[in-house]
Amino acid sequence: DVKVTQSSRYLVKRTGEKVFLECVQDMDHENMFWYRQDPGLGLRLIYFSYDVKMKEKGDIPEGYSVSREKKERFSLILESASTNQTSMYLCASSLDPRVLSEKLFFGSGTQLSVL
Amino acid sequence: AQSVTQLGSHVSVSEGALVLLRCNYSSSVPPYLFWYVQYPNQGLQLLLKYTSAATLVKGINGFEAEFKKSETSFHLTKPSAHMSDAAEYFCAVRKAGYSTLTFGKGTMLLVSP
Repeated sequence: DVKVTQSSRYLVKRTGEKVFLECVQDMDHENMFWYRQDPGLGLRLIYFSYDVKMKEKGDIPEGYSVSREKKERFSLILESASTNQTSMYLCASSLDPRVLSEKLFFGSGTQLSVL
Repeated sequence: AQSVTQLGSHVSVSEGALVLLRCNYSSSVPPYLFWYVQYPNQGLQLLLKYTSAATLVKGINGFEAEFKKSETSFHLTKPSAHMSDAAEYFCAVRKAGYSTLTFGKGTMLLVSP
């Protein structure tokens, strides 16, 4: 069965720390995405990647960076965590960026609290 | 910019009642439209999608949605709510030529006995 795995379900960090959120998919998907989910705001796209070592900014990339060294792994990096980055982070993947009807497969999310 | 609007952040129904969750999109051309559901402590999963093959789309768990171009709407319905339908529902749109999805703000469905 298709699986997108996020390394941590809950994470607590301090302001100014460098934070890594990891996501792994086992489906050989080309596309990977990072969203953040906040109450009343829905999901907002942070970054996405359509190939290894490729990345594209989403709607809210400020304060974040990403890394995709291998096809199956997509990391979200908070260079210096701030309290306004406290949120639920969702990773997703899809097979082929050219197939626009394709669905996304989501991980279970990482709830990050920055104190 | 491509966007979707979901009317109502919370919708409450009784078990057995009709479920209607509203979604309107903004687009000059028919887009690809999706409904996703998120159960507590889980990621999102696809309920159904519109890809221009048919205006009435059937999904999982008895849900369906109708694409109405004249109203730029893609409302989600289910004839009879079940307690297990309690979840948050997201409408999403993908514009032709783009690989990313834009999500609405979500509607929490509450089902009472």
